[in-house]
Amino acid sequence: DTAVSQTPKYLVTQMGNDKSIKCEQNLGHDTMYWYKQDSKKFLKIMFSYNNKELIINETVPNRFSPKSPDKAHLNLHINSLELGDSAVYFCASSQDWSVGEQFFGPGTRLTVL
Amino acid sequence: SQKIEQNSEALNIQEGKTATLTCNYTNYSPAYLQWYRQDPGRGPVFLLLIRENEKEKRKERLKVTFDTTLKQSLFHITASQPADSATYLCALDSSASKIIFGSGTRLSIRP
Repeated sequence: DTAVSQTPKYLVTQMGNDKSIKCEQNLGHDTMYWYKQDSKKFLKIMFSYNNKELIINETVPNRFSPKSPDKAHLNLHINSLELGDSAVYFCASSQDWSVGEQFFGPGTRLTVL
Repeated sequence: SQKIEQNSEALNIQEGKTATLTCNYTNYSPAYLQWYRQDPGRGPVFLLLIRENEKEKRKERLKVTFDTTLKQSLFHITASQPADSATYLCALDSSASKIIFGSGTRLSIRP
């Protein structure tokens, strides 16, 4: 069974479009995250949710809007996509907000043309 | 703000040797430090966590040390194998509910 899953795995789209990435975890964890990994492989946190509540928002442009319908899901919606948004986006989860070990999804490679 | 550095972008060693990767941080000592492995096209996978009051942690062929005086963690893989080739990421807690990652060291083990 996949612990943290993301869809789609690949996303190619034109500049200016709006797209969403979905994430689900079946580990029963309370906390979920979105990370962005750029071309230099630097992994940077974007958002964190604990029990559906936003607890971290790392100065991400407001074109990015996370949504957590329940604690097992954390989706990422991106409006007006820009070239610089091209990256790999990882969803992750941890037992609770005190962090510790994180479980990552397989990533979504977003390419904006 | 807390900064983290993995000062080798790439490391190539012979199979069977011990690989040693370095992670340095600035500012305050984190409550714990973690190491992850990332293979191409995949998400990071947790390997080990070491707390500030622990000097050393082992798991099979892996060993992590944590020196809060030097502000440094060392990650060792003994008897390295080609299958150990991957990027290894160091991570530490920056504040409540957030960890920050180093840029990683790409380890290559040649047969």
